[in-house]
Amino acid sequence: QVQLQESGPGLVKPSETLSLTCAVSKDSVTNTTNWWTWVRQAPGKGLEWIAEMHPSGSTNYNPSLKSRVSMSLDKSKNQFSLSLTPVTAADTAIYYCAGGNNYVWGQWGQGTLVTVSS
Amino acid sequence: ETVLTQSPATLSLSPGERATLSCRASQSVSSTYLAWYQQKPGQGPRLLIYGASSRATGIPDRFSGSVSGADFTLTISRLEPEDFAVYFCQQYTKSPPGYTFGQGTKLEIK
Repeated sequence: QVQLQESGPGLVKPSETLSLTCAVSKDSVTNTTNWWTWVRQAPGKGLEWIAEMHPSGSTNYNPSLKSRVSMSLDKSKNQFSLSLTPVTAADTAIYYCAGGNNYVWGQWGQGTLVTVSS
Repeated sequence: ETVLTQSPATLSLSPGERATLSCRASQSVSSTYLAWYQQKPGQGPRLLIYGASSRATGIPDRFSGSVSGADFTLTISRLEPEDFAVYFCQQYTKSPPGYTFGQGTKLEIK
């Protein structure tokens, strides 16, 4: 069973950069059957897809966030990352990393809460 | 952007009862690209159904999905205590590539 674990700062100041990492175990980020993705959930709200990346380097971003977000894969560390900048209070959310194929995600991390506040 | 509208927002039922959750798309959504997830407090979502009606690995057969036109339905035939959670539908759009979720249905114990 693939395991995913998010990590990163729990507090980010407005206008700065939110950087998160997702460590993958029991699978490889280079597995070309998978797409790796980030999803977030504002407190008490629904789910919002942020971005996805394939090991080939192909990426797709939510149009509403595209100008502020980027994803990358680190094959040497078997992990993938998210960068969002600049952040505002509206970016406060639980951020989940997930993996899957055929347009669904069968593996999810536990999520990490990121608060944007000065 | 394709908007998914889930109903009801909250569903109050007792264990053993049948639950019917609805997800309506604002535009045509291929059944291939419609999925259902379950989320419990403090946990990431769990994939239940993909392709509108196929159960994911390890999902009990009391969970089933169906489609009629633009209306997608998740049915739980006989509720178990562990089924009380929030359920989201999710769709994929090819052009431009992207995903959206419904706002969720909270299934609570009556």
